[in-house]
Amino acid sequence: EAGVAQSPRYKIIEKRQSVAFWCNPISGHATLYWYQQILGQGPKLLIQFQNNGVVDDSQLPKDRFSAERLKGVDSTLKIQPAKLEDSAVYLCASSFTGTSNTEAFFGQGTRLTVV
Amino acid sequence: GNSVTQMEGPVTLSEEAFLTINCTYTATGYPSLFWYVQYPGEGLQLLLKATKADDKGSNKGFEATYRKETTSFHLEKGSVQVSDSAVYFCALYSGAGSYQLTFGKGTKLSVIP
Repeated sequence: EAGVAQSPRYKIIEKRQSVAFWCNPISGHATLYWYQQILGQGPKLLIQFQNNGVVDDSQLPKDRFSAERLKGVDSTLKIQPAKLEDSAVYLCASSFTGTSNTEAFFGQGTRLTVV
Repeated sequence: GNSVTQMEGPVTLSEEAFLTINCTYTATGYPSLFWYVQYPGEGLQLLLKATKADDKGSNKGFEATYRKETTSFHLEKGSVQVSDSAVYFCALYSGAGSYQLTFGKGTKLSVIP
């Protein structure tokens, strides 16, 4: 079974530039998550989709971050404009359902460095 | 809101030593509890889970018991190996509707021969 795919693996940009990350979840998984993991910290949920609808985006900095999940499959996360503090690993995860008894599978992440 | 607190690292142990990584949580309702592991250069992967009080999750020699009375889910292994060197994250899954997966800060374990 193919896992969660993310691209790119690494990205270096200057502050105030824009950047986009792509995620392809495991086939059939209705729930998709984007997490931000700052060095030395645990992952923090940015946004959660159920199919193509947003379930929770309470921690997404909406003035600069946006995310979409067209057709309930692939998802993109965008940052515009980037700040130095956005340097982090961005993790995508998916699960079959969004209930407490289902495992979330994680991609390898995109490491973003803002200089 | 929900939160997870786990012991600060890094933790350095000799091979075959006993491991305990403490984890306590705050949550509304009845959360499910997880330990995730992140090996060097790899993504997060589920190590074990427990979905109700007194459940014991186990995998690869690791164990953790869901203790509702102490709101804890400590990770243990009787004899660690060099290959267990990784970052370990305690997490909980709770919240009606969104079932948000909330992580602790992680504990880095290094096992030396």
